[in-house]
Amino acid sequence: SQQGEEDPQALSIQEGENATMNCSYKTSINNLQWYRQNSGRGLVHLILIRSNEREKHSGRLRVTLDTSKKSSSLLITASRAADTASYFCATGPFTTSGTYKYIFGTGTRLKVLA
Amino acid sequence: GAGVSQSPRYKVAKRGQDVALRCDPISGHVSLFWYQQALGQGPEFLTYFQNEAQLDKSGLPSDRFFAERPEGSVSTLKIQRTQQEDSAVYLCASSLGDRFMNTEAFFGQGTRLTVV
Repeated sequence: SQQGEEDPQALSIQEGENATMNCSYKTSINNLQWYRQNSGRGLVHLILIRSNEREKHSGRLRVTLDTSKKSSSLLITASRAADTASYFCATGPFTTSGTYKYIFGTGTRLKVLA
Repeated sequence: GAGVSQSPRYKVAKRGQDVALRCDPISGHVSLFWYQQALGQGPEFLTYFQNEAQLDKSGLPSDRFFAERPEGSVSTLKIQRTQQEDSAVYLCASSLGDRFMNTEAFFGQGTRLTVV
């Protein structure tokens, strides 16, 4: 089962525009990670934000976390065609009973048109 | 190596055949995860290792799935008597810390398994 849900499921924008994706989750977390996945490829780690952080930046990426609303957003500024990919949030880690796992959402498919 | 390495990248298996998928994590990483990703879906957790100990195998879909990490580094995911529903991308990830640490998980390129 997946506890995270990304919104929207698909997003199409023009090059140079900003893209915003949202992730909602259900249970308490220690951190939240965002990943990018190009078609047929593995997951590329973008950013990790801890539960005591509210905002984090990395290059053209800005991530926010609102633990009271159990939601996070990923903003990509000045998008490029190369940003076309699926974006996933992963929440966790869940460490009860010796386990350690991240749970992924269903992803947002971003298409940036040149 | 610099990243998580998985092999083979692609595997076609006849139904009923056994397969073995290999994962080389980042050197020194304590935690190792296996995930299964169906087409158009997010990755689904299969199993977790802390060093050589398999602490969670709750996500393995059936007893045909078996994973090991005998020396705490390289891991192998084995699927016996493959079925068509096993067709998916199998992703391996490693993380520097153990389950009490907040460290990033880095993924390999995955192995795309197609059962025909």
